[in-house]
Amino acid sequence: EAGVTQFPSHSVIEKGQTVTLRCDPISGHDNLYWYRRVMGKEIKFLLHFVKESKQDESGMPNNRFLAERTGGTYSTLKVQPAELEDSGVYFCASSRTQETQYFGPGTRLLVL
Amino acid sequence: GQNIDQPTEMTATEGAIVQINCTYQTSGFNGLFWYQQHAGEAPTFLSYNVLDGLEEKGRFSSFLSRSKGYSYLLLKELQMKDSASYLCAVRDYGGATNKLIFGTGTLLAVQP
Repeated sequence: EAGVTQFPSHSVIEKGQTVTLRCDPISGHDNLYWYRRVMGKEIKFLLHFVKESKQDESGMPNNRFLAERTGGTYSTLKVQPAELEDSGVYFCASSRTQETQYFGPGTRLLVL
Repeated sequence: GQNIDQPTEMTATEGAIVQINCTYQTSGFNGLFWYQQHAGEAPTFLSYNVLDGLEEKGRFSSFLSRSKGYSYLLLKELQMKDSASYLCAVRDYGGATNKLIFGTGTLLAVQP
């Protein structure tokens, strides 16, 4: 069974530009989560999809972040426009209902 | 507030036993997870406790005391490949949310 995959693995952009991160969950997992780790801090929750619906987006920092999961399969997280403080590692995780969350390797975003 | 504490770093010797502690104060509780993360890789699920007591899985065991807000991860017969960051995470449950609240992680260095 393939694990959670994320693309790209790394992204370096300039302040003000747009970046779109992609996550492909484990097949059959209805729950998809986005987390972020900024330098020196703990991994923090951003939002949770159940199929294509946003179940909880309480962790989204501001309206520069837009997450979508059209069709209930893969998800994208767009940052527009990117700011310096958006730099960090963005993790995606997936799970069946109420079970263990399995994480992807993350996308390392650097905003210059 | 939400607070999860674990030591920042630990050092142990190959073949020995090490215990990594985690204390938590969270508004909701629906289980505690331990993940292992090697540098640049995905956090990998190790163990899950929702009831008090010890869960054993090969060389790894995890203990939970809900009344004390305390857990530990016990690693036996340490191997060099166990050098990694160990993440303690509490699953919050309020309504339909299923988010994980993480500690900053404990970086374990296993020495020959």
